[in-house]
Amino acid sequence: EIVMTQSPATLSVSPGERATLSCRASQSVSTNLAWYQQKPGQVPRLLIYGASNRATGISARFSGSVSGTEFTLTISSLQSEDFAVYYCQQYNNWPPWYSFGQGTKLEIK
Amino acid sequence: EVQLVESGGGLVKPGGSLRLSCAASGFTFSSYTMNWVRQAPGKGLEWVSSISALSSSIYYADSVKGRFTISRDNAKNSLYLQMNSLRAEDTAVYYCARVAIAAAGSLWFDPWGQGTLVTVSS
Repeated sequence: EIVMTQSPATLSVSPGERATLSCRASQSVSTNLAWYQQKPGQVPRLLIYGASNRATGISARFSGSVSGTEFTLTISSLQSEDFAVYYCQQYNNWPPWYSFGQGTKLEIK
Repeated sequence: EVQLVESGGGLVKPGGSLRLSCAASGFTFSSYTMNWVRQAPGKGLEWVSSISALSSSIYYADSVKGRFTISRDNAKNSLYLQMNSLRAEDTAVYYCARVAIAAAGSLWFDPWGQGTLVTVSS
């Protein structure tokens, strides 16, 4: 089983600043990683797939990168609507055995 | 517009059963692997089960294996989750989610339905 570990659990950032969220895989998942945003009472929304590809309609302020088994979601110049919980998900396994990180809550400082 | 609409959630006693449904529209349902993902109150996301486009491949998380059964009816554009022997720890919002690309197996999920709440309590 591949375990995804996100850090930090909570990140406090001021509007206009940059946020950097991390997600580490317990073993290689290649670039088979997605990031989702979830606001309170809402459905998870796809942000990034393939570690670094923005989904349709996602602002260029969101970017993803990877180094080995360490994945990063960067949100530049935070807007009020960006404060939410962010989850990473690996989809490298076959047969499929998807695993999500435990989430990072991005809150206003 | 691609849409997934879940139904069938509710309050059930421990040991009871419930059947969730997910109605799909706006895309060729029979071409896509479909999934169930759940989220316990205040907790993170947990993948529950996957079913391939023609139901030839089915997979479950260990936490539900032997108790839950995923199925689909491509003629009705519908996905189902039969949940038996329910436990308090199965309490969650259950989302149906499509893999992003037709004819693909393991992929990211997009879109997601709005979810249906299952509460297991005496």
